[in-house]
Amino acid sequence: AQSVAQPEDQVNVAEGNPLTVKCTYSVSGNPYLFWYVQYPNRGLQFLLKYITGDNLVKGSYGFEAEFNKSQTSFHLKKPSALVSDSALYFCAVRDTYTGGFKTIFGAGTRLFVKA
Amino acid sequence: EPEVTQTPSHQVTQMGQEVILRCVPISNHLYFYWYRQILGQKVEFLVSFYNNEISEKSEIFDDQFSVERPDGSNFTLKIRSTKLEDSAMYFCASSATGTPNEKLFFGSGTQLSVL
Repeated sequence: AQSVAQPEDQVNVAEGNPLTVKCTYSVSGNPYLFWYVQYPNRGLQFLLKYITGDNLVKGSYGFEAEFNKSQTSFHLKKPSALVSDSALYFCAVRDTYTGGFKTIFGAGTRLFVKA
Repeated sequence: EPEVTQTPSHQVTQMGQEVILRCVPISNHLYFYWYRQILGQKVEFLVSFYNNEISEKSEIFDDQFSVERPDGSNFTLKIRSTKLEDSAMYFCASSATGTPNEKLFFGSGTQLSVL
């Protein structure tokens, strides 16, 4: 069965410092991996996705994510955090083997960037 | 960027009452979804809908739940007899083609409180 784990409920980082939000996944086949962000009173917004190819994926707002097949991880990164990056971040996966229409989400990690 | 809209933003109801949550997906999208998030827990898939029928549903989506596209723009989730455990944030989402590598567009959610 597909699953996603985000081991940290909250990540705290100072503005200007690099940030990492962790995600690991489990699928039967090859994964399609996504990161979404949720700002207060807004719906989830797409940040980036990994389909195939280069393991380092670049997305919106300067975010990037690194796919690591051996560690089944897809950590979200940014070289220099901004206060405005403070939000709730969700990792998600779809399994290419089982197909279907559902995207499986993690529980979310709250990022707090301090000025 | 086009948006998915959901109404109402908050809904309070008594246990046993019926509720209808409403969504207007992006106009040229063909696949529609409902997800929910109980406070502090994962975003959970409920149902996907295509061509006026359910394409996939989770074990959560039992006989108390139904979905409908009553006209060319709205997509609704009905809970026939609400339970306390139905209290959650309900998100509607849509996608253009339903392919696994495609991002989802989410509404800002309806917070349902069952008393």
